Amino acid sequence: NAGVMQNPRHLVRRRGQEARLRCSPMKGHSHVYWYRQLPEEGLKFMVYLQKENIIDESGMPKERFSAEFPKEGPSILRIQQVVRGDSAAYFCASSPPGTASQTQYFGPGTRLLVL
Amino acid sequence: GESVGLHLPTLSVQEGDNSIINCAYSNSASDYFIWYKQESGKGPQFIIDIRSNMDKRQGQRVTVLLNKTVKHLSLQIAATQPGDSAVYFCAEKGNQFYFGTGTSLTVIP
Repeated sequence: NAGVMQNPRHLVRRRGQEARLRCSPMKGHSHVYWYRQLPEEGLKFMVYLQKENIIDESGMPKERFSAEFPKEGPSILRIQQVVRGDSAAYFCASSPPGTASQTQYFGPGTRLLVL
Repeated sequence: GESVGLHLPTLSVQEGDNSIINCAYSNSASDYFIWYKQESGKGPQFIIDIRSNMDKRQGQRVTVLLNKTVKHLSLQIAATQPGDSAVYFCAEKGNQFYFGTGTSLTVIP
């Protein structure tokens, strides 16, 4: 039973380019969460999605950032026109359907470096 | 807004000793708490969780204690091993999950 998959594991972009991060949740999980982590800091919530729906995007910057979780395929976190401050580790987590099972299982992360 | 913080940013223990990692939370409405372990270069790994209707929960070599009166959470690791060296985060569930900065645990052989 594969865990949460994220790719790429490392991504280098120049300022102004687009970064596209992918997350495949665990089998049977329909809830996906994206977090950002700066060095020596904790995880900061960005967005919570269910299939084809954004449930909570209160932690995501209004500009340049977007997320989706289509009916088929992985969840995508998209950062347009990246800036150096976007350099961070981005983690995806998934959880099963239903409110009783709230434990989130994390992927290995994508480390974005903006030059 | 809610915040989760840790009392000690770093902790060093001798192999075989017990470790205690503390966490303070601010949202009295939080009803679910999780401890995660994060090794260098990896994603957080679930260790143990506890709901607000409990004050203690035990796992394999780990125990989580919840004191709702003072809004304090702790993780106890028995017979700490070198493989336990990592950063440990607590997380509280309010409207969303909030994570503390983390405590770096170093186990000295």
